[in-house]
Amino acid sequence: GAGVSQSPSNKVTEKGKDVELRCDPISGHTALYWYRQSLGQGLEFLIYFQGNSAPDKSGLPSDRFSAERTGGSVSTLTIQRTQQEDSAVYLCASSLGVVGEQYFGPGTRLTVT
Amino acid sequence: AQSVTQLDSHVSVSEGTPVLLRCNYSSSYSPSLFWYVQHPNKGLQLLLKYTSAATLVKGINGFEAEFKKSETSFHLTKPSAHMSDAAEYFCVVTAYNFGNEKLTFGTGTRLTIIP
Repeated sequence: GAGVSQSPSNKVTEKGKDVELRCDPISGHTALYWYRQSLGQGLEFLIYFQGNSAPDKSGLPSDRFSAERTGGSVSTLTIQRTQQEDSAVYLCASSLGVVGEQYFGPGTRLTVT
Repeated sequence: AQSVTQLDSHVSVSEGTPVLLRCNYSSSYSPSLFWYVQHPNKGLQLLLKYTSAATLVKGINGFEAEFKKSETSFHLTKPSAHMSDAAEYFCVVTAYNFGNEKLTFGTGTRLTIIP
């Protein structure tokens, strides 16, 4: 069956612009996670959803970052007024529940110029 | 609090020789430990996990890891490396029976296989 998909695969944007990153989880997976992977660093947890709710938003780096999930399915991560330090690969994962195995998407590589 | 340290950022081995990727962890609780693999331009894939059952865990593609509480280690091994093993490997820790939202990832070890 289909895995987790993310779009776009690559995004180049100018500093100060807003960007939206999309994640389509595996059908039926109630939990969805966003991570950021910067060069030479491990994965940084950003936020997770259980259904449409995000119980803990403390992992978001700043108030320029926001995320939503609708219909218990697709999620969008929005970065407003992008900065160069936002350049990274943004990964999405989903799981049947918060203790189930996570399945990762291929990521969106964001470059802020 | 929890953390994980991958002791080598880059490991190179010849094809057919053993692989050892080192990981040490710190956790205030009984930990669950995982190894993930990331091939170029692909998503992360779970290799194996330890959740307080057998201390020697076998995973996919011939990899295994041993949980050693006294050494706070969870090193990943494989007896004989294949070219297809070239990838980035991440050691991950969470508190036992905590959810995925509490996972802490290491900084990764890039494995290169020499033909």
